[in-house]
Amino acid sequence: EAGVVQSPRYKIIEKKQPVAFWCNPISGHNTLYWYRQNLGQGPELLIRYENEEAVDDSQLPKDRFSAERLKGVDSTLKIQPAELGDSAVYLCASSFPGTGGNEQFFGPGTRLTVL
Amino acid sequence: AQSVAQPEDQVNVAEGNPLTVKCTYSVSGNPYLFWYVQYPNRGLQFLLKYITGDNLVKGSYGFEAEFNKSQTSFHLKKPSALVSDSALYFCAVRGYGGFKTIFGAGTRLFVKA
Repeated sequence: EAGVVQSPRYKIIEKKQPVAFWCNPISGHNTLYWYRQNLGQGPELLIRYENEEAVDDSQLPKDRFSAERLKGVDSTLKIQPAELGDSAVYLCASSFPGTGGNEQFFGPGTRLTVL
Repeated sequence: AQSVAQPEDQVNVAEGNPLTVKCTYSVSGNPYLFWYVQYPNRGLQFLLKYITGDNLVKGSYGFEAEFNKSQTSFHLKKPSALVSDSALYFCAVRGYGGFKTIFGAGTRLFVKA
């Protein structure tokens, strides 16, 4: 069974440029998460989807970040414009729907460097 | 508010010795508790979880963790460490009925041959 797929794996851009990350979750996982992981820290939730609905985006900086999951399967996270402080690893995860006791399956992440 | 503390930035242990990686948490009500491991340049990988029931839970690669409600702890343990266990370990908590997972800052485990 394929795991969570993310692309690109690495991205280097200059500040003020736009960038987009793509995620394809595990088949059958209706719940999709985007996290940001800063160096030396644990992942922090940016947004959670149940199917195509964003049910928790309270930590998403909406002035520059946006996300979509149009058909309830794959998802895109965008930053426009990027700032130096956005340099981090962006992780996508998915899980089965249901109770909050389900573990999450993580992709390898996209390492973003903003110069 | 939910929170997780991993008091040790790094744990060093000799191969063959037992290991413990500590985690304490704060959450309203009963918690869901998780341990994840992260190898270099890879995403987090689920190890084990506590939902309810037996306080001692067993997971992948010979790891286990003990839920202690009175001490609000969920320490990760393994009877005999392997060099290949060297990685970054994250404890995570989610409030019962909730879906937002809070991760600790991580503990780097270094197992010396």
